[in-house]
Amino acid sequence: ILNVEQSPQSLHVQEGDSTNFTCSFPSSNFYALHWYRWETAKSPEALFVMTLNGDEKKKGRISATLNTKEGYSYLYIKGSQPEDSATYLCAFEVDGGGADGLTFGKGTHLIIQP
Amino acid sequence: DTAVSQTPKYLVTQMGNDKSIKCEQNLGHDTMYWYKQDSKKFLKIMFSYNNKELIINETVPNRFSPKSPDKAHLNLHINSLELGDSAVYFCASSQDVSAGGPWNEQFFGPGTRLTVL
Repeated sequence: ILNVEQSPQSLHVQEGDSTNFTCSFPSSNFYALHWYRWETAKSPEALFVMTLNGDEKKKGRISATLNTKEGYSYLYIKGSQPEDSATYLCAFEVDGGGADGLTFGKGTHLIIQP
Repeated sequence: DTAVSQTPKYLVTQMGNDKSIKCEQNLGHDTMYWYKQDSKKFLKIMFSYNNKELIINETVPNRFSPKSPDKAHLNLHINSLELGDSAVYFCASSQDVSAGGPWNEQFFGPGTRLTVL
């Protein structure tokens, strides 16, 4: 059983502040780590897919880092805006098992307060 | 222009019935998936399928069966529905990595909310 843990479970942040949250995953049989953004009543939308230890990816004000040796990834949001409010999911992809699907964490529910 | 579509969006049915949820993707992807979002909003893989193999999560009851008439479709058929089957079901697709696609980035459908009474 793969364990993907995300913390915190929920987070309230003032508009304009920066924030970050964590995903921890098994460090063995690693293939890729995915981050998804999931707005209420919509589908999860891919943000990043990271594969190499030390990877850093950036999309606008959102960035992510990856440490495969210790099994964690951070997602950072700089200068939070109300439209950043969503649930952020990380998902672990096992080595050699692309068709196995992804193992998701329970998500961090982010609320940006104006 | 919807990339991954599911029908119906909502499905309300009686316990014991058999029902199907359809999924279609127009992205030309090789692999399709079904996920179940449980009562705690947790997404869990149920099946993945490409033209080579079907991989079944061992925790999924055999009342659930995926059927793929072609590469663009993966329908979910459920026999003898039970109250505990009530959930939101998401279909997703991705390009086979061996075919040169991105690292298994998955595109999700809008979900089907199934309610079993």
